[in-house]
Amino acid sequence: QLQLQASGPGLVKPSESLSLTCTVPGGSISSGDYYWGWIRQPPGKGLEWIGGIYYSGSAYYNPSLKSRVTMSVDTSKNQFSLKLKSVTAADTAVYYCARAPVSGWVNAVPKYYFDYWGQGTLVTVSS
Amino acid sequence: DIVMTQTPLSLSVTPGQPASISCKSSQSLLHSDGRTYLYWYLQKPGQPPQLLIYEVFNRWSGVPDRFSGSGSGTDFTLKISRVEAEDVGVYYCMQSIQLPPYTFGQGTNLEIK
Repeated sequence: QLQLQASGPGLVKPSESLSLTCTVPGGSISSGDYYWGWIRQPPGKGLEWIGGIYYSGSAYYNPSLKSRVTMSVDTSKNQFSLKLKSVTAADTAVYYCARAPVSGWVNAVPKYYFDYWGQGTLVTVSS
Repeated sequence: DIVMTQTPLSLSVTPGQPASISCKSSQSLLHSDGRTYLYWYLQKPGQPPQLLIYEVFNRWSGVPDRFSGSGSGTDFTLKISRVEAEDVGVYYCMQSIQLPPYTFGQGTNLEIK
């Protein structure tokens, strides 16, 4: 059972940046078999795919967030990170990190799903 | 974006009885590679989502065989042959044929009568 753990501030002020890091045990972050993803869930609501990043740094983001999102990966630390800038109250959510096995590649674009999810971390945007 | 529509949004089932959840996509999830990129997740109360079914009908490791997935193209179904108390939670379908973005259904809340 892979145990992913997201960490970061639980409270962020409006207009500032939200930064979270997910640690992957066992060194598998460098495996070419996986993307590493972020998903969020506003309180009482459904799931929203934020994006995913490959060990090489290749990333795809949700277009609705693309102008504000940056993901990065640090293979030496077995970590991947999410940064969301200019946050508002609408960004208040539980943020999940997850492993994403790549089930196929089409024109160098991955198709993946999420198999192991971290427990999630609640980030509240409030002054 | 591909819109995923689940029905019903809420389901109340007596233990031992079957349950069925529908998921319809606004575009076909069948890719030219022959695979269909439709997944089912269960989010139990207070927990992260857990993978149940991948690529329409394949049960994930450790998932009981009372769970089954079926469908093709744009219409998919998750069935539970005999609901148990531990099946309570919110069920989501997800598509990954089109990136970006991947999209989830709204969720179906299953409760026990």
